[in-house]
Amino acid sequence: ETGVTQTPRHLVMGMTNKKSLKCEQHLGHNAMYWYKQSAKKPLELMFVYSLEERVENNSVPSRFSPECPNSSHLFLHLHTLQPEDSALYLCASSQAPGQGNQPQHFGDGTRLSIL
Amino acid sequence: QKEVEQDPGPLSVPEGAIVSLNCTYSNSAFQYFMWYRQYSRKGPELLMYTYSSGNKEDGRFTAQVDKSSKYISLFIRDSQPSDSATYLCAMSARGSFKTIFGAGTRLFVKA
Repeated sequence: ETGVTQTPRHLVMGMTNKKSLKCEQHLGHNAMYWYKQSAKKPLELMFVYSLEERVENNSVPSRFSPECPNSSHLFLHLHTLQPEDSALYLCASSQAPGQGNQPQHFGDGTRLSIL
Repeated sequence: QKEVEQDPGPLSVPEGAIVSLNCTYSNSAFQYFMWYRQYSRKGPELLMYTYSSGNKEDGRFTAQVDKSSKYISLFIRDSQPSDSATYLCAMSARGSFKTIFGAGTRLFVKA
């Protein structure tokens, strides 16, 4: 049981659908992250929120829209996705960098398949 | 050149062997170094976290950082079939939200 919970675990959607991924952390962290993990490629950072403010946005297509209503919850809203968006989407949390960096803790991801 | 290079494997070893996993990097600003283990259909799990150069030991696992060579290693002693997983190295610079990951090395430990 990790301190970061992601739902749903699996999602199959058509290219015209709209869906949302949810992440909740129970670790008392103040920074949350979305990553995309594709086969045999390094994790790609998509978005970072610190204290509910977006601090990183790595040239992600607008069909991905993040939302962070509070420091414990993070959403990724999806619409008009493409087949190449099929991947494992991972959420992570950490304490924001301060005196030193703290490692990120991950959820088990949402396996997304675009038909 | 990629910021972090990691041999994807697969690496196959017999049970009880000593395993050595490695990453090289190019950014001298990296000061925090991590190893994660990822089982199939699971998220990455933090194994080791080190700051700057030196060694850190935790049970059967030892992490080494050589900043002068920009080279980090993870050693697994007395490897077990349950160690079969993908191992990801990761690193970050002080004050940065960005953690850069290697592509992962797939390890198989045969009983």
